[in-house]
Amino acid sequence: GQNIDQPTEMTATEGAIVQINCTYQTSGFNGLFWYQQHAGEAPTFLSYNVLDGLEEKGRFSSFLSRSKGYSYLLLKELQMKDSASYLCAVGQNFVFGPGTRLSVLP
Amino acid sequence: GAVVSQHPSRVICKSGTSVKIECRSLDFQATTMFWYRQFPKQSLMLMATSNEGSKATYEQGVEKDKFLINHASLTLSTLTVTSAHPEDSSFYICSARPLDRLAGTDTQYFGPGTRLTVL
Repeated sequence: GQNIDQPTEMTATEGAIVQINCTYQTSGFNGLFWYQQHAGEAPTFLSYNVLDGLEEKGRFSSFLSRSKGYSYLLLKELQMKDSASYLCAVGQNFVFGPGTRLSVLP
Repeated sequence: GAVVSQHPSRVICKSGTSVKIECRSLDFQATTMFWYRQFPKQSLMLMATSNEGSKATYEQGVEKDKFLINHASLTLSTLTVTSAHPEDSSFYICSARPLDRLAGTDTQYFGPGTRLTVL
């Protein structure tokens, strides 16, 4: 089976940096995905990690440690539009974590 | 590329009726499509996985006779909510995994979702 955990809510200030953690336990691992979801909309793909280390993509970076069952999503230079839920997903059948609702304040 | 559409985007129906939701991959072929349900302020819950030409695999607790899935082609999957009740009101999202994808990646592409309201 799979077990995925994320903080429920986070708050940060515009222009700041925020790190959203995801811990997981899974019987088979073929990569970890991060998605962004605005209220009432479908998730949009942010990043994919299959090897240990940091993947950087503009203001967003994602880190993976397979031995620790741990990943984080790092958001830099926060903007108001980054207020959304951030979901990590693992497993062949894409089991999603509970999601982290990020609120960016002015 | 990699666009997935869903139809309808929003549907309101009476209790006891059936509702069909279509999920189409517009510019790629999908070996596998997934159906999720999302209640307000909750994460996506996987309902079932469907492979073209075979029966869907349902997650524990999801009634296969209530949520009928048909994956008739590599670009179309349908979810039919039979005898819908108010507790079935939710946001239903499909996703599709491309047939032709880079080795080692399993990215899914999501449809825009269908908001079902059962009165």
